[in-house]
This record gives sequence, C-alpha cells and structure tokens, in this order.
Amino acid sequence: SQTIHQWPATLVQPVGSPLSLECTVEGTSNPNLYWYRQAAGRGLQLLFYSVGIGQISSEVPQNLSASRPQDRQFILSSKKLLLSDSGFYLCARGASGANVLTFGAGSRLTVL
Amino acid sequence: SQQGEEDPQALSIQEGENATMNCSYKTSINNLQWYRQNSGRGLVHLILIRSNEREKHSGRLRVTLDTSKKSSSLLITASRAADTASYFCATDAGDSWGKLQFGAGTQVVVTP
Repeated sequence: SQTIHQWPATLVQPVGSPLSLECTVEGTSNPNLYWYRQAAGRGLQLLFYSVGIGQISSEVPQNLSASRPQDRQFILSSKKLLLSDSGFYLCARGASGANVLTFGAGSRLTVL
Repeated sequence: SQQGEEDPQALSIQEGENATMNCSYKTSINNLQWYRQNSGRGLVHLILIRSNEREKHSGRLRVTLDTSKKSSSLLITASRAADTASYFCATDAGDSWGKLQFGAGTQVVVTP
C-alpha cells in the first residue's frame, strides 16, 4: 500500500498563530516526500521535498518550514501564520523510477 | 514556478462527447504526466508519457506528446458525468529529486 495520511483535513487559524500539518506514508521505506500548496482554482506549487530523514529542500522562500523526523513522517510548520498561507496543502510521495506521485487527501487551511 | 500551462482553463461538455485539453511547457522534459483532481481531494495519477513516445492510450484516455512544440494533449473519449474533475499536466525534467512541475489545470464539467 502506498497510502498517505494527512491531518487535520480542515483547519481554521488566526493570523499569527502556529501551524503544524502532518503527513505519514505507508509502503516502501525511504520514499521521496513532497509538500505542495494549491491556491483556490490554481495549480500546485512545490514547497518542500525530502529524500531522507532530516533532509529537507525548500523550493520557495516563505513563512513555512518542513521537517522529516522519521522515514515515513513529513511535517509542515509555521511559527506565525499569514493570511497568504491559506490554501490546500497536499503531501505526496514519489514512486521509484518514473517519479509518479501518490497524493494524500489534503489539508485545507484558512487563515483569518 | 509553473512549467506546464493547460488550455482551456475550463471545458463544459455533455455525456458521450469527447473532451480535449492541451498542455504547453517550456523546458526539456524526461516525461510528462497527467493527473486528475476531484473537487477538494488529492490528485490521482492518470497516465505518463516519456519524451521518446508520441502517443499513449489507457482505457478512454489518449495522450499525445510533441517535444518539438513542447506540448501535450489529453483526450477523454465518450465522457461520463464521473469524469467531471480538474485535470493537470505535470512535467518531470529528470532531476535526481523527482520533482514535478504542475500546470494550472483544466476544469472539466460533464453534464448528463
């Protein structure tokens, strides 16, 4: 199984509050993991990717950070949320070979 | 940044009709993939076409790739109401991290 679990599914947070979105994956060990953000009606923007425990690469400078404390756990965080952090956050894992992605169901964040 | 750009942005058709959407990209690719997203859900991989392939079929899906024009098309034949979704192309430039760049998507509505 290549199932991906994301939680929470929905989150409403005030500006300036912290954030923690969690993603856990099943299946083969040492997967490539990705965090994407999707603004309303838009495509996906790659935020972070990880090729192993503690190895995080950022694609876009922003108010967010990511961590990978365990092989199958990927966490997206912020110390102080901005209105512009609102969006649909998707965690994905890569399959070996052709880089086909399997996505989780997403976490919808609204910052008020 | 987004590599692929889909056209049209939105498409409304009736059941039984064919749906065609296009994707243009800017840089050389290793492969191009199409994904589907039902409203408020994660993306699901549909089909992958490699840079040395020109056409590929999967069930009611037909994908073409023209690397000289840096474009791809996705055709859904005999559409059904259940095909209502957003469709995204994603390009794989072949880097070692398996990153995909997604377009903004085509929203397809199939009415019974």
